[in-house]
Amino acid sequence: DAGVTQSPTHLIKTRGQQVTLRCSPISGHKSVSWYQQVLGQGPQFIFQYYEKEERGRGNFPDRFSARQFPNYSSELNVNALLLGDSALYLCASSPQTNLPANEKLFFGSGTQLSVL
Amino acid sequence: AQKITQTQPGMFVQEKEAVTLDCTYDTSDPSYGLFWYKQPSSGEMIFLIYQGSYDQQNATEGRYSLNFQKARKSANLVISASQLGDSAMYFCAMREVNFNKFYFGSGTKLNVKP
Repeated sequence: DAGVTQSPTHLIKTRGQQVTLRCSPISGHKSVSWYQQVLGQGPQFIFQYYEKEERGRGNFPDRFSARQFPNYSSELNVNALLLGDSALYLCASSPQTNLPANEKLFFGSGTQLSVL
Repeated sequence: AQKITQTQPGMFVQEKEAVTLDCTYDTSDPSYGLFWYKQPSSGEMIFLIYQGSYDQQNATEGRYSLNFQKARKSANLVISASQLGDSAMYFCAMREVNFNKFYFGSGTKLNVKP
């Protein structure tokens, strides 16, 4: 079975532009989460979606938005890009929104976004 | 306040030796899970080991074990018999019960020397 897939793997944008990142969860997983990992830091939670509804949001500005589709895939959109948005964006999937205590998140390999 | 603290930005270990990566956490929730993930240069976060807050015994998964000291709020990862392929970033993470949101530490870069 395929794992979590993300596209594109790398992206270069300039300040002020908009970007869309895509994620396909593991088959059967209904929950998708997005994390931002700035160089030298651990991942930080951006959003969680379950059954097309937003179930959690981290401390990120409104320039960040996301959505989930009926097939459970997800897009992360970032508007008016800033240099500080340069990071690895990780998508993670899980079977449901409230996991058993020992259930882990399954991560994709990420999209490396560079803002020039 | 930081939820997860990893105080070792970088560590070196000789191949075949054991190494301990430190992690302390902060939560007032009585029910939580602690996780360790490995991140090679490819970027993917690879799950290594899990410890629940109510687990009485320390978790073990092959060469990985978790030294869980609840009163000290520490969850150190021990890797036995290090291999060259263990060279990577290691992240400690915590999830409070009923939430999918993970809090990650800043990571420890482990280098295994031949």
